[in-house]
Order: sequence, then structure tokens, then C-alpha cells
Amino acid sequence: DGGITQSPKYLFRKEGQNVTLSCEQNLNHDAMYWYRQDPGQGLRLIYYSQIVNDFQKGDIAEGYSVSREKKESFPLTVTSAQKNPTAFYLCASSIRNGNSPLHFGNGTRLTVT
Amino acid sequence: AQTVTQSQPEMSVQEAETVTLSCTYDTSESDYYLFWYKQPPSRQMILVIRQEAYKQQNATENRFSVNFQKAAKSFSLKISDSQLGDAAMYFCAYRRGSGNTPLVFGKGTRLSVIA
Repeated sequence: DGGITQSPKYLFRKEGQNVTLSCEQNLNHDAMYWYRQDPGQGLRLIYYSQIVNDFQKGDIAEGYSVSREKKESFPLTVTSAQKNPTAFYLCASSIRNGNSPLHFGNGTRLTVT
Repeated sequence: AQTVTQSQPEMSVQEAETVTLSCTYDTSESDYYLFWYKQPPSRQMILVIRQEAYKQQNATENRFSVNFQKAAKSFSLKISDSQLGDAAMYFCAYRRGSGNTPLVFGKGTRLSVIA
């Protein structure tokens, strides 16, 4: 079955360490997205990529970095510069069509202590 | 920038009753799409319903329907015959019409269903 895989489901890191969250899709979608979810804040856009080797900052990109070397993969690195990295992170993808919905992965819960 | 507002942080409904979740949005675009997503305790995001702004007819998916008021920039979700499995966070989202633009989400409404 096609879908989006995020791994791991839970991730624990010490403060000051960079950490990379994995997102892989086999839906052949052009676009991929990273959102952060905090209680009471909804989903906020971190980065998105409309095509391989290209990506744009979202509303809360500071302290994060991404790469898009392959169509299937869009990893997110949470750097030590991110002040409040503990959150639930959702990856999504979509085809090149405005009315097509985003397909989401199951998310990664990152806890930094 | 586009914004999406969900003014009801929490709602509750009796099983088998009907409930309406509110959503308003702000945009200067004429071509756009609107979505409702459901997030149950598993935290999986599930598409409930979508609406194209150019369509006057309100979208319907089984027990879920929308009331799309384009002039008022309002996009409410009505859930009929509520079931225990409808208990979840519901997010309203907006997407500009062209290309692979991201969705802009509201802050969500937590719906409880009372047996």
C-alpha cells in the first residue's frame, strides 16, 4: 500500500544535540511538507518542498533544516538552535493540484530534555 | 497572509445528535480550497471533507456536510447522527488555488461525544 512513513514514532534527545526526523513517501507525490503541532496551536508549517532539490521556509523555520535530494524523502533536522523543540511533528505530501488534500504520516513525537 | 480561525476550542454533542463546528478564514484570493481534517487520539490526520471555492454547492460526505458562505468567508462543518467515533480534534484548513501550496490550518476544535 502507498503511504507516508515517519520514523521513529517517539524520539528522545538531550538538549544541544541535533536530531533528524525521517519522512518517506511512495505515493509519487511532488510536494512534501513538515508541520509542527503543539497543544492549542494547530498545525504550523516549518518547511515545504514542491520539487526535488528545492524547498521553502514556512512560518516557523528558525532552528530547522531540510533537504530534498530524492522525490521520496524529505528529512527534517531539528538543530540545537531551535529553542523549544519538544513537539509533535507531522510530515505530509500532495500531488500538483490545488484541490488535492495533504496525505499525512503518523507523526513523530520529539522530546528534548 | 491567509489566516484560519476556529472560534470554538471545545464542543460536545450527545450521541445521535447534530453538531456544527465553525471556521472562518481571511483571504484576498478568489481561487482556493477548504478542507476539514479529523485527528482522533491516534493523532493520525484524516481528511473529512473538501470544498472548492468556485462551487456554490455545499460538499457532503455521508454524515458530514459543510455550510460554505463565500461572501462571509465562513466554512462550518455539520456532523449529523454523531457517533462515539467522531470524538476527535477537528481542523479547518485553507489552500490557495495554484500549485502545491501548503495548507494553512486553524487551531482546532476538540469534539467530545457523550453517550
